[in-house]
Amino acid sequence: QKEVEQDPGPLSVPEGAIVSLNCTYSNSAFQYFMWYRQYSRKGPELLMYTYSSGNKEDGRFTAQVDKSSKYISLFIRDSQPSDSATYLCAMIAQTGANNLFFGTGTRLTVIP
Amino acid sequence: DAGVIQSPRHEVTEMGQEVTLRCKPISGHDYLFWYRQTMMRGLELLIYFNNNVPIDDSGMPEDRFSAKMPNASFSTLKIQPSEPRDSAVYFCASSLRTHNSPLHFGNGTRLTVT
Repeated sequence: QKEVEQDPGPLSVPEGAIVSLNCTYSNSAFQYFMWYRQYSRKGPELLMYTYSSGNKEDGRFTAQVDKSSKYISLFIRDSQPSDSATYLCAMIAQTGANNLFFGTGTRLTVIP
Repeated sequence: DAGVIQSPRHEVTEMGQEVTLRCKPISGHDYLFWYRQTMMRGLELLIYFNNNVPIDDSGMPEDRFSAKMPNASFSTLKIQPSEPRDSAVYFCASSLRTHNSPLHFGNGTRLTVT
């Protein structure tokens, strides 16, 4: 079983839709949770960063962590064509090596 | 801030040839990471350095892979000899610290080995 599981998609939605992207994980030691956005032919860039359980909002983006279910989500409101990218979840334990475990990414296309 | 700079952007080579990928991290960052990305396996950590010293190379697939960081502003990843299964996008990333500092990625080197 992989440490982090993510549905690869692809996911296509019309402009303005609410998008929900999800990851599950198996290691209960994970404490820091991140979402990276990767545009085609570019490196991943950090989008959202949360510590432990709860919600974090930044503009149209909301990151949600449910540690009891080992489940994290990224919600995108009023999706735009510029949101079309691959979204990767990532997580790391509070202690241990500098090993950031990535999901394989979900490819999102927002259709104008 | 120019970000993490990688070169070349694309590399096409024949099986058996030596390949050298280069990375310039963000100035002041203490950590440097080399990742490989494929469709099947996603992002895989190959090796990381702290203050120019290799800390964990357990992700390096074989002895054909080697990485160096001779100074704080430069790192190389070398594959010798290269094989078709090495074809992937190789990313370099740097950060100030570890788990509570974000990784800043370069735009990668797309390697094709024929």
